[in-house]
Amino acid sequence: ETGVTQSPTHLIKTRGQQVTLRCSSQSGHNTVSWYQQALGQGPQFIFQYYREEENGRGNFPPRFSGLQFPNYSSELNVNALELDDSALYLCASSSGLAGGGGQFFGPGTRLTVL
Amino acid sequence: DQQVKQNSPSLSVQEGRISILNCDYTNSMFDYFLWYKKYPAEGPTFLISISSIKDKNEDGRFTVFLNKSAKHLSLHIVPSQPGDSAVYFCAASDRDNDMRFGAGTRLTVKP
Repeated sequence: ETGVTQSPTHLIKTRGQQVTLRCSSQSGHNTVSWYQQALGQGPQFIFQYYREEENGRGNFPPRFSGLQFPNYSSELNVNALELDDSALYLCASSSGLAGGGGQFFGPGTRLTVL
Repeated sequence: DQQVKQNSPSLSVQEGRISILNCDYTNSMFDYFLWYKKYPAEGPTFLISISSIKDKNEDGRFTVFLNKSAKHLSLHIVPSQPGDSAVYFCAASDRDNDMRFGAGTRLTVKP
């Protein structure tokens, strides 16, 4: 059974650029949630995708968008990058809408915006 | 808005002793609470949870206590082991898809 994987591991971008982060969910999981973890803080919920549809969104601007594909992998896109977007981006997959303990996290993508 | 707070950024205990990690929340609508453990370069891993209808949940060396009137939960680890050294996050939810995390407490267990 393959766990949650994310790519790339690290990424450096400049202000104003666009970035795409990728997540492969755990086998059998059809739900993916994305979180932003800034330095010294806990993960903050960005949004969740269930069966290719957005199913809830946190307090993030529209320049944060996502996709979920038929194989339940997912992308997080961030446009017009700002310095404050520098963070660890985590995705978590689950089966159905099981949150909490049913979520399995990937190792994260560390994004640095210069 | 910091709806979930972990006021101790770090905690150091001796191997074999009890570790107590604390968490406070402000939203009375939260009905499900979790603890996650995070090692460097890894994602958080689920440790233990408790629903608001209970005041205690135990799993081996780990016990979570919930005090709803005080809006406080704690994680007890007994006995603490060096492998428990990690960052611990508490999280709370009132819906399945919107978990709020605390800032984390770094636990160091000294041999």
